[in-house]
Amino acid sequence: DAGVIQSPRHEVTEMGQEVTLRCKPISGHNSLFWYRQTMMRGLELLIYFNNNVPIDDSGMPEDRFSAKMPNASFSTLKIQPSEPRDSAVYFCASSIGTRGRETQYFGPGTRLLVL
Amino acid sequence: LAKTTQPISMDSYEGQEVNITCSHNNIATNDYITWYQQFPSQGPRFIIQGYKTKVTNEVASLFIPADRKSSTLSLPRVSLSDTAVYYCLVGFNTNAGKSTFGDGTTLTVKP
Repeated sequence: DAGVIQSPRHEVTEMGQEVTLRCKPISGHNSLFWYRQTMMRGLELLIYFNNNVPIDDSGMPEDRFSAKMPNASFSTLKIQPSEPRDSAVYFCASSIGTRGRETQYFGPGTRLLVL
Repeated sequence: LAKTTQPISMDSYEGQEVNITCSHNNIATNDYITWYQQFPSQGPRFIIQGYKTKVTNEVASLFIPADRKSSTLSLPRVSLSDTAVYYCLVGFNTNAGKSTFGDGTTLTVKP
C-alpha cells in the first residue's frame, strides 16, 4: 500500500489567495483526520470524518477553513482567504478501528507558507 | 479523551535502554494506549499499542500496570536514529480544537 498521500508537499502563496490541500487515505480505512502542526501550538486536530461524514469540526479555526470528503478515497482542506498565521504543516491521517482503539497512519504533510 | 502527561525531554546515549512514562489518570475502560514517533519534517508514526500488562514488537515494548493509570514505552538499545518526539495517546482522538497529541517527549540520543 502506498500509505496516505498528500498533495502538494509544499505550497507558497500570498495572503488572500485560496489554498486547497488534498489527501488520499489508505484504501479500506473508514476514518480521516486533518491536523495542523506549528511550533507554538503543537499538533492540532482540525476535523475528523468517519465513513465520509464530518463528525467533529470544532477544531477548524474559523470560517475561512472548510473540509470535504466526497468519497472514501479523497478529501480536501480549503483555506479561503489565506492569512500568514495559517502557515504551518498540515497532516492528513487515516485509520480503521473501533472507538478507543485507533491507529492513525499519517501522510507526509503539506508545508504551507502564506506570505 | 484522556489527558496525558509526559516528560518534555530526555537524553540518552547510544546502546542504552530508554523508558518514557506517560500518566493518564482518567483513562476510560475501553481506551487503548498508543505511542507514536515523529521525526522532523515527517508525520507521526505508529510505534506500539496496548491495553494492559505488556506488549512487545520488533521496535519497542509497552508496559501497563494493573490500574492502567500510566504506561511506559521502552526502547531497547537506542541509536542516534531514535532521536525523535514520542507521543502517548489514550483513547479515541476526537478532541478536536486542542493539541490532542500533547507536547510529547523529545528524546535526544547522543553518541
